[in-house]
Amino acid sequence: GAVVSQHPSWVICKSGTSVKIECRSLDFQATTMFWYRQFPKQSLMLMATSNEGSKATYEQGVEKDKFLINHASLTLSTLTVTSAHPEDSSFYICSGSKPGLAGTVISYEQYFGPGTRLTVT
Amino acid sequence: EDQVTQSPEALRLQEGESSSLNCSYTVSGLRGLFWYRQDPGKGPEFLFTLYSAGEEKEKERLKATLTKKESFLHITAPKPEDSATYLCAVRRNGSRLTFGEGTQLTVNP
Repeated sequence: GAVVSQHPSWVICKSGTSVKIECRSLDFQATTMFWYRQFPKQSLMLMATSNEGSKATYEQGVEKDKFLINHASLTLSTLTVTSAHPEDSSFYICSGSKPGLAGTVISYEQYFGPGTRLTVT
Repeated sequence: EDQVTQSPEALRLQEGESSSLNCSYTVSGLRGLFWYRQDPGKGPEFLFTLYSAGEEKEKERLKATLTKKESFLHITAPKPEDSATYLCAVRRNGSRLTFGEGTQLTVNP
């Protein structure tokens, strides 16, 4: 269990257009979803955290008006890159977190989607 | 501020040559240390979560251990299909993770 899907897996768009990426938890309800971006040969950089039905919390330096996040249900979150530019080209990965119990500790294992490769020309 | 440092950055092994990857962390109130495997062009795949010093978990050729300052991912008799980037992450409060830079493992046949 704990499968997360993303759509599309890759997208090419022209500069100035907007692109929407969907993230779905297929077999669990994700109380929290996360959006990351990853540049080649680098680790994951957290962009924002979203909880179902509330506004996303953005990391410092991430433009909330440029990267619009909607977490409409416990199984779906979307990231819209508005007015995309070549510097927004990157690998975008989402994850879903579900609370569980590991002994007496509440666990929050994150399960990641396969990623979306965005290229802005 | 939470810090996670992984070493080495890259590691090349021959098939069958066992080794260990290191993850050193500085975090107050650790609520979990996570290991992930990431193949090129794909999202990270969950491997293990460790919660307290002394804890160990195993999965096939991988074994993860945890102390108060670091975690090791031991790879026993690796195969070429174990080649990937291994990421370590820590959680303090809530569900937010802080990732290390990863170790790129290459296992040659």
